[in-house]
Amino acid sequence: DAGVIQSPRHEVTEMGQEVTLRCKPISGHDYLFWYRQTMMRGLELLIYFNNNVPIDDSGMPEDRFSAKMPNASFSTLKIQPSEPRDSAVYFCASSLGGTRQETQYFGPGTRLLVL
Amino acid sequence: DQQVKQNSPSLSVQEGRISILNCDYTNSMFDYFLWYKKYPAEGPTFLISISSIKDKNEDGRFTVFLNKSAKHLSLHIVPSQPGDSAVYFCAASENSGSQGNLIFGKGTKLSVKP
Repeated sequence: DAGVIQSPRHEVTEMGQEVTLRCKPISGHDYLFWYRQTMMRGLELLIYFNNNVPIDDSGMPEDRFSAKMPNASFSTLKIQPSEPRDSAVYFCASSLGGTRQETQYFGPGTRLLVL
Repeated sequence: DQQVKQNSPSLSVQEGRISILNCDYTNSMFDYFLWYKKYPAEGPTFLISISSIKDKNEDGRFTVFLNKSAKHLSLHIVPSQPGDSAVYFCAASENSGSQGNLIFGKGTKLSVKP
């Protein structure tokens, strides 16, 4: 199993540009999570999906952030327009099943730098 | 306000000794706790968990202790190995919360010296 795949691994962009982060969950997993890690706030949940449907997006910081899951094998997190304070590591994770005891498997992350 | 706190940003331990990583929480509704380990340039990986109906859970060299009255949990690694050097995240969730809503601490960087 290839695990959760994220692309790109690194992204450097200028303020105001659109940024799209991509995630391929583990095949068969029906939950997908997007997290952001910063020095100030640590690791925080942005949004999660169940069977491609967004369930809780209360962690999305503002309207500049949007996430989609068009099918079971692909999700995107888009920031438009990007700002320097969006610089962080963004992780995607997936899990099988709906109980809290189900392990979330994380991808390697996308390190985003907005100049 | 941080609901899950790991007050030690770093910890250094000699190989073979015990590593103790601590975590405090403020939300009394939390009833399920996890530890994740993270190596550089990788995502966090699940290590061990504990439900609030228990006060201890053991898996090989790793043991998690939960003190509900003190709202405190700790991860013990015995004996510590250089390969254990990583950042360790404590996480918690509450039964009434959103299914996927894990609240993470900021992590503790463990260095195990040979």
